[in-house]
Amino acid sequence: EDKVVQSPLSLVVHEGDTVTLNCSYEVTNFRSLLWYKQEKKAPTFLFMLTSSGIEKKSGRLSSILDKKELFSILNITATQTGDSAIYLCAVAGGTSYGKLTFGQGTILTVHP
Amino acid sequence: DAGVIQSPRHEVTEMGQEVTLRCKPISGHNSLFWYRQTMMRGLELLIYFNNNVPIDDSGMPEDRFSAKMPNASFSTLKIQPSEPRDSAVYFCASSRDSSTGNTIYFGEGSWLTVV
Repeated sequence: EDKVVQSPLSLVVHEGDTVTLNCSYEVTNFRSLLWYKQEKKAPTFLFMLTSSGIEKKSGRLSSILDKKELFSILNITATQTGDSAIYLCAVAGGTSYGKLTFGQGTILTVHP
Repeated sequence: DAGVIQSPRHEVTEMGQEVTLRCKPISGHNSLFWYRQTMMRGLELLIYFNNNVPIDDSGMPEDRFSAKMPNASFSTLKIQPSEPRDSAVYFCASSRDSSTGNTIYFGEGSWLTVV
């Protein structure tokens, strides 16, 4: 059975801090790893990673995948209160990129 | 482009009643997914369709749950009879082609409460 484990489960920081969220996985026939941000509604897509060692970057957020060690990290620099959300890691395996197994999420709270 | 559209956004129903959740995927997307999110279990895939055909329904909890996709622009998830433990947020998601690495996009969810 595919498995995704995120850590920490929750994190409280102050604005301006840098955070690193972790995601480790076990999956049959790995296809991709995705990061989503969930506020009050639907998860919104952040990154999709398929290759090891290639950093994806979007503004203050960046992510990298290590397919040998089976993990990924999501970094957020200079955090803002608007970054407060649940960050979900998901892995696609098997025959479909859409059949995602989600981790339990990391609840990030950024205080002013 | 409109995103994935789900209805109803919120539903409160009594145990034993039938519940039907509806989804309109993004136009041009040929894969559709139903996920359920609870505090205890997080996000779980229930079923997914490719070109309107159910591909994997191994996540459907039991016979009370059924899903259909009669055409490329509409899908339903039905629970009959509903039970309090079915209370959750049900997300529909779609992607252009689930075999080639396209990202999936989520609707805003149907928040179901069974009392």
